[in-house]
Amino acid sequence: DTGVSQDPRHKITKRGQNVTFRCDPISEHNRLYWYRQTLGQGPEFLTYFQNEAQLEKSRLLSDRFSAERPKGSFSTLEIQRTEQGDSAMYLCASTELAGGPPDTQYFGPGTRLTVL
Amino acid sequence: GQNIDQPTEMTATEGAIVQINCTYQTSGFNGLFWYQQHAGEAPTFLSYNVLDGLEEKGRFSSFLSRSKGYSYLLLKELQMKDSASYLCAPGSSGNTPLVFGKGTRLSVIA
Repeated sequence: DTGVSQDPRHKITKRGQNVTFRCDPISEHNRLYWYRQTLGQGPEFLTYFQNEAQLEKSRLLSDRFSAERPKGSFSTLEIQRTEQGDSAMYLCASTELAGGPPDTQYFGPGTRLTVL
Repeated sequence: GQNIDQPTEMTATEGAIVQINCTYQTSGFNGLFWYQQHAGEAPTFLSYNVLDGLEEKGRFSSFLSRSKGYSYLLLKELQMKDSASYLCAPGSSGNTPLVFGKGTRLSVIA
């Protein structure tokens, strides 16, 4: 296991369609984060999990967005009824949560979503 | 809340030294991360400072002053491949999600 992987790397969809992205974290990393990044901005937090529990959701995460991590390993992010404003890079990151100072988050390559 | 400020763009010459500053205001501060992000790629970890002072790692060094809410990333002997965005992110205790600055886009020119 060499790092965080995400699938697909690119997704083009029409407005109104549903899309689902997958993230596989580094093995044994129990924290998993989803971020969204638009051009010229830093990544913005969407939601995160500790094992299978979803601990926090950003106000950016409208009710069209849902995320799961059913077995505490991979996670999925689904966007329903996509809008053009959803076009962005969706990044996944994981960390080990060893305790103490914040642990480094390692990012996957991202899924670039384009909504036409 | 959190407030992070870094310059939007910088240009420097190959072989030179550049310093990228970051000021922040955050609650529960527990260290500061710097990430590098090449265009179209994911952020990659560069450094993490929890104590005041300068930490050197090859051509890259990072400085932190907790009392001033200030950090900088120092890049020496610039190479063309250093052209990228550099993201500052203060960390909080408890491994809460990172809040990133908008990033500084560095262009290295010949």
